[in-house]
Order: sequence, then structure tokens, then C-alpha cells
Amino acid sequence: AQSVTQLGSHVSVSEGALVLLRCNYSSSVPPYLFWYVQYPNQGLQLLLKYTSAATLVKGINGFEAEFKKSETSFHLTKPSAHMSDAAEYFCAVSDRGSYIPTFGRGTSLIVHP
Amino acid sequence: EAEVAQSPRYKITEKSQAVAFWCDPISGHATLYWYRQILGQGPELLVQFQDESVVDDSQLPKDRFSAERLKGVDSTLKIQPAELGDSAMYLCASSLGGPSQGRNEQFFGPGTRLTVL
Repeated sequence: AQSVTQLGSHVSVSEGALVLLRCNYSSSVPPYLFWYVQYPNQGLQLLLKYTSAATLVKGINGFEAEFKKSETSFHLTKPSAHMSDAAEYFCAVSDRGSYIPTFGRGTSLIVHP
Repeated sequence: EAEVAQSPRYKITEKSQAVAFWCDPISGHATLYWYRQILGQGPELLVQFQDESVVDDSQLPKDRFSAERLKGVDSTLKIQPAELGDSAMYLCASSLGGPSQGRNEQFFGPGTRLTVL
């Protein structure tokens, strides 16, 4: 079965600092990969997805992620954190062509002034 | 901008009571999903509808949970009787096409937070 592991349940950064949220996947074949963001008491919003085109995927709000097959990773980055980026971030994986995601446990991003 | 609507946003109930959640997907979206998100975890798929038909309910605890989408538009998820372990956020999502079709990005509603006392 496919799964993702998000390293670190909480990540704390200063405003303006680099954001790096780590995700490693487990899959027997190249999967589809997703990052979602969830603000308090709200549903999930898709940030970006990898579906086997370019390995560097750009998403909304200045986020991007790079698919690295050799490392089975799909880490999420943003060059400069804003206070508004504080939220829960979920990495997810699906079968190729499925688009039904299996979610990780989430990483809470805390942004300090 | 079209959104997935859910109600109620919050529900507190006592164990052994019945509860029901409602979801109205984005107009024209054929596929509807119900997820359960336990605090501190990612969402888990409970049931998937394609129009009015259940496509996958393998993770739905059928002894107490039921879901319907009678006219292929809005949907209701019911729990009877509720147990303490059912406390969670229940999320509804919809997509224009099915998972293996094009235009299948899922759009999520704000969720219903259930607390069972």
C-alpha cells in the first residue's frame, strides 16, 4: 500500500526565513503526489501536485516541491515565510491516474514575527 | 467562487445518539467524497460516490455509519449510534470527474467538527 511520511509534526520558522516541509513516500511504482494546506477549522486546499511532468512543481502562494525518485521524497519549500503561511500542511500520495489521496499525518507550520 | 457547503459546522452529541451531516458539492460535480479527520492526523476516505452510486465504501464502518446521495447532488452522512471514538472532523469533497478521469481535482468543504461526550 502506498503511504507518505511527514518528518516533523511541527516546524517553526521566522517570518522571511526559508520554509522546508519534508515528505517521503512509499510506492512500488511512481505515484502522484500532492501537498495540501489546511487553515484552522477549514477544509483542505490543494497547493500543488506532481503527476509525472516536470519534477519541480510550482504551486500557489509561492510554494514549490521537487519530486526526487532516488530519495523517494517530495519536500515542500518556500523561499520566504509569511505570517499568513501558518497552517497545517499535508503531503498525500495516490495511484497514478487515481487522484484519491492517502494523506500523511500533517506538519504544523508556525511562523514567528 | 463555487464552494462545497457543509452543515452543521459544529456538532456536540452524547454517545449512543444519532447524528447527521450534510454536504452540498460544487454544482455539476459528479463525484463526492466523505473523509474523517481525527485530531492530529490526515483525512481518511470513508466513502466515494459517482453521481448517486457508491463507488467505494470499504473504509466506512457500516455497522453504525451510512451515507446516501439519493439524487446525485447533495449527500448525507449518518452515524447511529455515535461513540466516543467518532469525535473528529468530517470533511466532504467533490470533483468534476471521477478519480481516473480528467478534471478530478478535489475541492474540500469546511468540515463538520463532531464532539461525542
